[in-house]
Amino acid sequence: DTEVTQTPKHLVMGMTNKKSLKCEQHMGHRAMYWYKQKAKKPPELMFVYSYEKLSINESVPSRFSPECPNSSLLNLHLHALQPEDSALYLCASSQSGTSGRYEQYFGPGTRLTVT
Amino acid sequence: DAKTTQPTSMDCAEGRAANLPCNHSTISGNEYVYWYRQIHSQGPQYIIHGLKNNETNEMASLIITEDRKSSTLILPHATLRDTAVYYCIVFPTGTASKLTFGTGTRLQVTL
Repeated sequence: DTEVTQTPKHLVMGMTNKKSLKCEQHMGHRAMYWYKQKAKKPPELMFVYSYEKLSINESVPSRFSPECPNSSLLNLHLHALQPEDSALYLCASSQSGTSGRYEQYFGPGTRLTVT
Repeated sequence: DAKTTQPTSMDCAEGRAANLPCNHSTISGNEYVYWYRQIHSQGPQYIIHGLKNNETNEMASLIITEDRKSSTLILPHATLRDTAVYYCIVFPTGTASKLTFGTGTRLQVTL
């Protein structure tokens, strides 16, 4: 099973709302990622968690707050977003450590619209 | 991260082989070549990766030149469902790290 699931598929929120994106994998992967993809652009990394600890933050604004409650789950908490934050948010997971295989498996994404 | 150069777009007739080139002239010795694709409005999909030997799996073949400065992804019998943006990425192994996507090649498979 190489499935990464993301909920919700679509989200519309106002600039004063608080919402969360969720991601789940059951492949035993210990690295999880959040990417942001604007229309007609390639995905860009936001955060990396390795063994439930934040290891990379690509200078993402604090209105995006990641959380990794356990090795299977990854959340992205959203607060006071701007319309320019509208994008496809992708979650991915991969093995870590010395497994020798580091391909990332992506979920279908959450399409976020900020009004 | 090492950079890659890919053609912006390519066309391929259904049933024919699609050969997608990638230049990565500054690749380091510990960096693998990874290929992903993204079908419209879906998440990227891992295809294949290699270090210096040619690789084949159920989806594609990867040919890496002896000097490792370029590679070619081969889809042996392209179908309409292979229409996607294909990304060639060089990636250091050994740890969880970020994928740096370039602009990729938009492959259009036609009847």
